[in-house]
Amino acid sequence: DQQVKQNSPSLSVQEGRISILNCDYTNSMFDYFLWYKKYPAEGPTFLISISSIKDKNEDGRFTVFLNKSAKHLSLHIVPSQPGDSAVYFCAAENNNAGNMLTFGGGTRLMVKP
Amino acid sequence: DTGVSQNPRHKITKRGQNVTFRCDPISEHNRLYWYRQTLGQGPEFLTYFQNEAQLEKSRLLSDRFSAERPKGSFSTLEIQRTEQGDSAMYLCASKPAADTQYFGPGTRLTVL
Repeated sequence: DQQVKQNSPSLSVQEGRISILNCDYTNSMFDYFLWYKKYPAEGPTFLISISSIKDKNEDGRFTVFLNKSAKHLSLHIVPSQPGDSAVYFCAAENNNAGNMLTFGGGTRLMVKP
Repeated sequence: DTGVSQNPRHKITKRGQNVTFRCDPISEHNRLYWYRQTLGQGPEFLTYFQNEAQLEKSRLLSDRFSAERPKGSFSTLEIQRTEQGDSAMYLCASKPAADTQYFGPGTRLTVL
């Protein structure tokens, strides 16, 4: 049973345009959501997070939106840059259960110059 | 560099051999996590420690797997009698009390 799903395995975007990466979850006990970015041969790097009590969090070019009723979150990158090309993982955790992360399968973003 | 470090970065072994990986967390991070990532998938939780206490183990962690964190500092993950299905990237992450998890570069295991 996959509790966190990223239904788009890949996304291609032109430099300067918006990238939108989507994530769905099923477990209502998740109360914190994170996005990690991963380059080949490196570990995941934390990008941005959002608590379940919020619906939006912004950090520079990165914004995460949370729709709790739909159990859906998305990551917006504006403007997209070639250096953003990587695999992006959505993750969720329950602060009352050890903070173990449950990851989605990842979306490979390619930003074309 | 004071990030999470993992050794070795790559390990090739023959089926049936034992392997041990090491993770050095960021100092003073009291929690340490192990994850496994197979090709095309996201990382999957294996186990975690709070200081030296192992508090949770995933069903993925069979009897052939054992993890330790003596003195609450570095951690080791041992796999006994390796199988080809154990081939994966093994990731370690550490976390302070009120922050996110910081991942190491991983150890890529190939079982022939």
